[in-house]
Amino acid sequence: SQTIHQWPATLVQPVGSPLSLECTVEGTSNPNLYWYRQAAGRGLQLLFYSVGIGQISSEVPQNLSASRPQDRQFILSSKKLLLSDSGFYLCALESGYSYNEQFFGPGTRLTVL
Amino acid sequence: SQQGEEDPQALSIQEGENATMNCSYKTSINNLQWYRQNSGRGLVHLILIRSNEREKHSGRLRVTLDTSKKSSSLLITASRAADTASYFCATANSGAGSYQLTFGKGTKLSVIP
Repeated sequence: SQTIHQWPATLVQPVGSPLSLECTVEGTSNPNLYWYRQAAGRGLQLLFYSVGIGQISSEVPQNLSASRPQDRQFILSSKKLLLSDSGFYLCALESGYSYNEQFFGPGTRLTVL
Repeated sequence: SQQGEEDPQALSIQEGENATMNCSYKTSINNLQWYRQNSGRGLVHLILIRSNEREKHSGRLRVTLDTSKKSSSLLITASRAADTASYFCATANSGAGSYQLTFGKGTKLSVIP
């Protein structure tokens, strides 16, 4: 079965510091991978998606970036965090068998102070 | 940008009652999905309805889709306290960008024991 790991689970970082959030998946090959951000009490905002190694599509221009160095690894990064980067970051996958259904990881709660 | 818009934003009912949530969208879709999110957790896929389907059932869940009105409803029958969560609709658009799901802002359901 498919499993998504995200770490860390929670993170408190000062403004201007760098960021690296990692997402790894198991139980599937060549999935589409997604990074979403969810502000408190809000819906999900798609940040990046990837259809394969090294292939990243950005949905929202911002100070965040994403990379996919391996088939089952998706990383969200920033060189300098802003207060507005605070939120709940969710990684999701879509496998070739699920026809658009997305499976979500447990999320990372990021607080920028 | 947000495509699905759920209504109501919040709903409070007594255990045993039925809960109905609605979703409206703007563009042509390939399918529409409903997800559930418990507080502070990732989203869990509940049900997918394709654009050529009008109604679908899964356990206590019933989803309808009216493509002429660009709307969908999620009915939870005989609600339980454990159904307390936020519920999101998500649309998979037809055509370009079909990898992506666009999520609404969600309905927060509270089921009172």
